[in-house]
Amino acid sequence: DSGVTQTPKHLITATGQRVTLRCSPRSGDLSVYWYQQSLDQGLQFLIHYYNGEERAKGNILERFSAQQFPDLHSELNLSSLELGDSALYFCASRNSGTYNEQFFGPGTRLTVL
Amino acid sequence: GENVEQHPSTLSVQEGDSAVIKCTYSDSASNYFPWYKQELGKRPQLIIDIRSNVGEKKDQRIAVTLNKTAKHFSLHITETQPEDSAVYFCAENSGGSNYKLTFGKGTLLTVNP
Repeated sequence: DSGVTQTPKHLITATGQRVTLRCSPRSGDLSVYWYQQSLDQGLQFLIHYYNGEERAKGNILERFSAQQFPDLHSELNLSSLELGDSALYFCASRNSGTYNEQFFGPGTRLTVL
Repeated sequence: GENVEQHPSTLSVQEGDSAVIKCTYSDSASNYFPWYKQELGKRPQLIIDIRSNVGEKKDQRIAVTLNKTAKHFSLHITETQPEDSAVYFCAENSGGSNYKLTFGKGTLLTVNP
């Protein structure tokens, strides 16, 4: 157990819908990273938040957005869902006091039908 | 741009043999190179990492080497065991102080008993 929690574990929805994925980082970690894992694209960085502020964006679609709340949990919002959005979504957290290690959560498997 | 190439994509070895996975990167500013192991349906877990000021690091049966001039790094697993079977991902810190990771496509390692 990495100490990072994600809910829900599985999500099945239809095209055009909107979903919210939730991540709680390890206690004390200020950084949250979101990654998308699909068979054809591998593990891709989406976005990074540090203590409530967006710090870096990767290959994140305009239909996707994220935020980090004062209690440091983060949410990834996916809207106007398409079949190709089906993937595993991981969040990871990092403590700025340690060098670099990112601890991954168990992931949310999103299936868009 | 940021790019990590990983080879081979699949690797099958006999129990007790060694396994080597290689990665090359393009960003000369990268300073941190972790390796993650991901078992089927599970989260990626850090198994070893190396910083750019170190050429080699060992942890029991696992070692990583880094050649900054050639921009490549390798994972070496000795005395492989069936429980080493998993997908292994190399990554680089391509985000400077943001520590966002760019991952290779992964290597499926199968250790045959």
